[in-house]
Amino acid sequence: DVKVTQSSRYLVKRTGEKVFLECVQDMDHENMFWYRQDPGLGLRLIYFSYDVKMKEKGDIPEGYSVSREKKERFSLILESASTNQTSMYLCASSSGAGTGGQGTQYFGPGTRLLVL
Amino acid sequence: KQEVTQIPAALSVPEGENLVLNCSFTDSAIYNLQWFRQDPGKGLTSLLLIQSSQREQTSGRLNASLDKSSGRSTLYIAASQPGDSATYLCAVRHGGATNKLIFGTGTLLAVQP
Repeated sequence: DVKVTQSSRYLVKRTGEKVFLECVQDMDHENMFWYRQDPGLGLRLIYFSYDVKMKEKGDIPEGYSVSREKKERFSLILESASTNQTSMYLCASSSGAGTGGQGTQYFGPGTRLLVL
Repeated sequence: KQEVTQIPAALSVPEGENLVLNCSFTDSAIYNLQWFRQDPGKGLTSLLLIQSSQREQTSGRLNASLDKSSGRSTLYIAASQPGDSATYLCAVRHGGATNKLIFGTGTLLAVQP
């Protein structure tokens, strides 16, 4: 069975803290993605990666960075958390070589982050 | 810029009814379209993926159709059950090199027992 796991279901952080969100997939997928989901705005792509050490900006990368040192792990980093980064964060992965990828995106359970 | 719209935003039906959820997109140059289900506070579960060359896909009581020229997709749910209650999202992937999905804001479905 396909499995994407995220390190935390709920997180509470203070403004200015550095925050790490971890995502691990066990399907040997090349592509991994980070989204945030907000009411009325839907899911928006923050960053994605199509290979180890490769990354590309999505639609809303400001205030975020990512790291992909191993194929199965994709980390989202909030360098200095702000209240407007309170959101639901979803990680996904999909198969396919290069920057494409043919297949279905599989999602993790999400991390609900509250920044105070 | 691709925009994806889902109408209605919310829908309530009695158990057993057949129903249709709508998804429209502004740019017909898509690579594929995917329908997802999301339960409250959870991640997304993929239901059906339709490649741009396909017209429809079926899985159990679900049938998704795609009309690229008109920029529309529908998700048909037959004989709805209370367990179908969830938010349904459609997402389009553009042609080209990137694997980005553009999501609609979803339809919240409630099936009343």
